[in-house]
Amino acid sequence: QQQVKQSPQSLIVQKGGISIINCAYENTAFDYFPWYQQFPGKGPALLIAIRPDVSEKKEGRFTISFNKSAKQFSLHIMDSQPGDSATYFCAGIKGGGADGLTFGKGTHLIIQP
Amino acid sequence: DAGVIQSPRHEVTEMGQEVTLRCKPISGHNSLFWYRQTMMRGLELLIYFNNNVPIDDSGMPEDRFSAKMPNASFSTLKIQPSEPRDSAVYFCASSRQGWSTEAFFGQGTRLTVV
Repeated sequence: QQQVKQSPQSLIVQKGGISIINCAYENTAFDYFPWYQQFPGKGPALLIAIRPDVSEKKEGRFTISFNKSAKQFSLHIMDSQPGDSATYFCAGIKGGGADGLTFGKGTHLIIQP
Repeated sequence: DAGVIQSPRHEVTEMGQEVTLRCKPISGHNSLFWYRQTMMRGLELLIYFNNNVPIDDSGMPEDRFSAKMPNASFSTLKIQPSEPRDSAVYFCASSRQGWSTEAFFGQGTRLTVV
């Protein structure tokens, strides 16, 4: 059972453009939704996260939009830069952070200069 | 802090052999997680520990897989016997208990079983 569905699998965006990655979750017990960024040969690293009682969270060029009724959330990268080229994973977690992360399958993002 | 340290970084072994992956979590973190990453299945949680105690091992694929955490600074993931379908990147992550949203990942061990 895939509890977090992520799309698209891959995405190519021109430098300066907006990158948008979408996720949908099934498990209503999830109470925290982080995004992780992974560069080749490295482990994932936390990028930004949101709680379901908030509709939007912004940190620099990165914004999460959250729609609790639709059980969907998305990552927007404004003014995308070549250094943003990486694989992005959305995730859900339950138990107030006591459990492990349930990841989407990832989006391979390429920012073309 | 050096972060989460995993060893070895790469492991190539023959089918049927025993493989042991090692992890040193960040000092002061008392939750430890093992994940497996493949192209087909993405990142999967295998098992996690709180205060050295295994909490949920429902993600461990088969009895061939076992994990231990004998103390707060060391954990192992063992596969015996290994099979080609076990080839993947295995990540260890640690966090403060109750804060696994801020899990810190090691660089992973790339396992190839031939």
